[in-house]
Amino acid sequence: DTEVTQTPKHLVMGMTNKKSLKCEQHMGHRAMYWYKQKAKKPPELMFVYSYEKLSINESVPSRFSPECPNSSLLNLHLHALQPEDSALYLCASSQGSGGPHNEQFFGPGTRLTVL
Amino acid sequence: SQQGEEDPQALSIQEGENATMNCSYKTSINNLQWYRQNSGRGLVHLILIRSNEREKHSGRLRVTLDTSKKSSSLLITASRAADTASYFCATGRGLGYSTLTFGKGTMLLVSP
Repeated sequence: DTEVTQTPKHLVMGMTNKKSLKCEQHMGHRAMYWYKQKAKKPPELMFVYSYEKLSINESVPSRFSPECPNSSLLNLHLHALQPEDSALYLCASSQGSGGPHNEQFFGPGTRLTVL
Repeated sequence: SQQGEEDPQALSIQEGENATMNCSYKTSINNLQWYRQNSGRGLVHLILIRSNEREKHSGRLRVTLDTSKKSSSLLITASRAADTASYFCATGRGLGYSTLTFGKGTMLLVSP
């Protein structure tokens, strides 16, 4: 299984809502990532988890809260978002060991719209 | 910050032609990777070239890396309509997990 799955595919939420994005992989990867991608822009790294520990937080606002319950799952909890947070949120995973030359496997993304 | 800068930003060619995209970066890297993205969906890894490599091939793809000029190129030969997508270079740093910094991307349109 070389797939990264993300749910939901689409999400519309109000600024007062709380929602969660989910990501799952069964490739035995020990590094997982959240990216944010605005239209016609490249993905921007938000968080990196390595062996279920948060390793990188790219100065992301606290209204985004990541969680890694186990080595296969990655969540992104959303609360009090702003309309400018509307974007495609991508999850990725990589081996996370054996050196620096690891490709990342991406999920299809969650298209988030904040009203 | 975006390290990779691709050019051209958009490229339109006919099926059967070759497509060349270039990428420049600013800092030291462990590797440089190319990814493809179809219509705002997930990215697909195409090829990885290490900092001590100069050229790499995979099927119809050829990637070069010039670390002295901090630049890379992706050549797609005999392009097909299905190659229509956005192509991003990404520079990789770090040990274990890899931190990728993506360039702005090239939108490739291949017409039948």
